This record gives sequence, C-alpha cells and structure tokens, in this order.
Amino acid sequence: TQLLEQSPQFLSIQEGENLTVYCNSSSVFSSLQWYRQEPGEGPVLLVTVVTGGEVKKLKRLTFQFGDARKDSSLHITAAQPGDTGLYLCARDTGNQFYFGTGTSLTVIP
Amino acid sequence: DAGITQSPRHKVTETGTPVTLRCHQTENHRYMYWYRQDPGHGLRLIHYSYGVKDTDKGEVSDGYSVSRSKTEDFLLTLESATSSQTSVYFCAISAGTVNYGYTFGSGTRLTVV
Repeated sequence: TQLLEQSPQFLSIQEGENLTVYCNSSSVFSSLQWYRQEPGEGPVLLVTVVTGGEVKKLKRLTFQFGDARKDSSLHITAAQPGDTGLYLCARDTGNQFYFGTGTSLTVIP
Repeated sequence: DAGITQSPRHKVTETGTPVTLRCHQTENHRYMYWYRQDPGHGLRLIHYSYGVKDTDKGEVSDGYSVSRSKTEDFLLTLESATSSQTSVYFCAISAGTVNYGYTFGSGTRLTVV
C-alpha cells in the first residue's frame, strides 16, 4: 500500500489566520502534487513538486517538498473564505497517482 | 470550457442491476482514470487507460470493468451493483504520467439501494 498520511484531517480557522497542512509518507517518492477540491466538484491541481527541498508559491499558498522527498507541506497565509475546501496530496506510483485522504479546511469569515 | 464531462451526474439504482458511467474528453489526452471517493478513504483508483483498448486495474477494481474504444470516451461498468459501490465516482485525464497533472470531471454520485 502506497500510504500517504495527511494532517490534520479537519481544520477550522478564522479569516486572516495562517495555517499549515502536512502530507507524509514512509517511502520516497519522485514527485508530489497538491489538489484542492470544493464541494460537489472534482479536485483541481494546485502544484507539482519534484525536487527535494523545492519550494513553490502560488499567491498566498506556499508548497514545500521535504529534503528527503518523503513529506510535503502546504502553508496558507492570511486565509480567506475562498480557501475553504478539501486539500489532497498525491504521489506518483509510476502509472498513476496515489491520493491521501485529505485535509478539510474551513475558513470562517 | 470543460474538457472533461461525466454522465450522469447523479444516479440511483437497485442492487444487482448493471450500471455504466461515461467519461468524455475533448483534450485528446492519452491517459484516463476512474476513481471513487468515499469518506475516510479518499480517492481510490479503480481502473485506468493508457490508450484505446489499453486498460489496467487499479487498487479497487473488483466488481468493475472498463472499456475505451475511442480516445475521447472511457466507460466504467458495474456489472451487478452492490450497496458497497455507493460512492462518488470521478474520471480524470492526463497528458502523461509523472509530472503531468490530472484534470478531473465533476463526478457522478451513485447510490445503490
């Protein structure tokens, strides 16, 4: 089993706060993707990270790939209600991506 | 401008009946995937296709079959639906494997009663 653990499972914060969610694996992976899913819709790709230690920024979102390529984090600065959704990480397994169970984020206005 | 559409969006069916879900893409992508999403399990791969008539099993393929006779269409069939197959089903497409992102459809909510 290509286990991917995401934490926390649920997160509820006030608008304007900062937060970090995590994606961890016991094994090395060559690349990892982050998706956001809104209720009633399919996931939407946010970013792909491929190099250990890599940091990518997407407006207020900062993605980091661990040096050992076993973990990744997503940091959101000054969260807004529009950031509400399910955040999924996915690791490549050769022919397809294996998804974590996600972090459900609620940003309260 | 959706490059991928799933049909139907919602379906209720009875236990033991066959059900076919359709995924249609206009992107001419080589790879197509069927996932199911359930609380506590996340997205799990059912079957995928890497070309016309080329398919392979995923993590949870038992009770499901697929067909891809054209690049643009990928069909998922539940041969004899069971209550455990009540789920939200997502189709995804990709231009490649590693380093290429998935584009997901909006999902089909299937209820087996």
